[in-house]
Amino acid sequence: LAKTTQPISMDSYEGQEVNITCSHNNIATNDYITWYQQFPSQGPRFIIQGYKTKVTNEVASLFIPADRKSSTLSLPRVSLSDTAVYYCLVGDFLHTGANNLFFGTGTRLTVIP
Amino acid sequence: GAVVSQHPSWVICKSGTSVKIECRSLDFQATTMFWYRQFPKQSLMLMATSNEGSKATYEQGVEKDKFLINHASLTLSTLTVTSAHPEDSSFYICSASAVLGLYDTQYFGPGTRLTVL
Repeated sequence: LAKTTQPISMDSYEGQEVNITCSHNNIATNDYITWYQQFPSQGPRFIIQGYKTKVTNEVASLFIPADRKSSTLSLPRVSLSDTAVYYCLVGDFLHTGANNLFFGTGTRLTVIP
Repeated sequence: GAVVSQHPSWVICKSGTSVKIECRSLDFQATTMFWYRQFPKQSLMLMATSNEGSKATYEQGVEKDKFLINHASLTLSTLTVTSAHPEDSSFYICSASAVLGLYDTQYFGPGTRLTVL
């Protein structure tokens, strides 16, 4: 079971780049990494997903080193509306099922004006 | 794409009654749906995995007779909380699984806030 470890909380000023790192030392060969954002009283929202190296979309980048034992979500120029809890999820749900569906503590990001 | 809805968004019921929560994938078919529970200031806890046309698989510690799950079609799963009690008050979130990119990904509904009086 590829459990994850993230910082409990982070603060950042508006306009700065924020990097949130997730450790997953027991990641399996077929596992991939997915990041979600959750606002209070809402379901998690998909942000980005990747297997190795770097993935970028319109809202974030995901950096995964060669050993894949960690991953870093990068949010460019955060705004107040990015204040939320961010979760990384590691697994290969299609082939290994719900065994890997473990949401860790998440990282509570607070963006300060 | 990949929109998941839940209904109702919130519900208040009396202790001892049953409540049904619906989860629908609106623009894709989902062979697998998941049900989570989240208490205030805590992370999501997986309750069960629901596969279309078969019995749900429940996580350890989740009472299958209390939390009835039915996955009647590729776009609809329902969770019924039977004989609800105040300790069942929580935020219930469903997700639907789809391979829309390279990998199988969960897409989450907006959640249902259940309050049992």
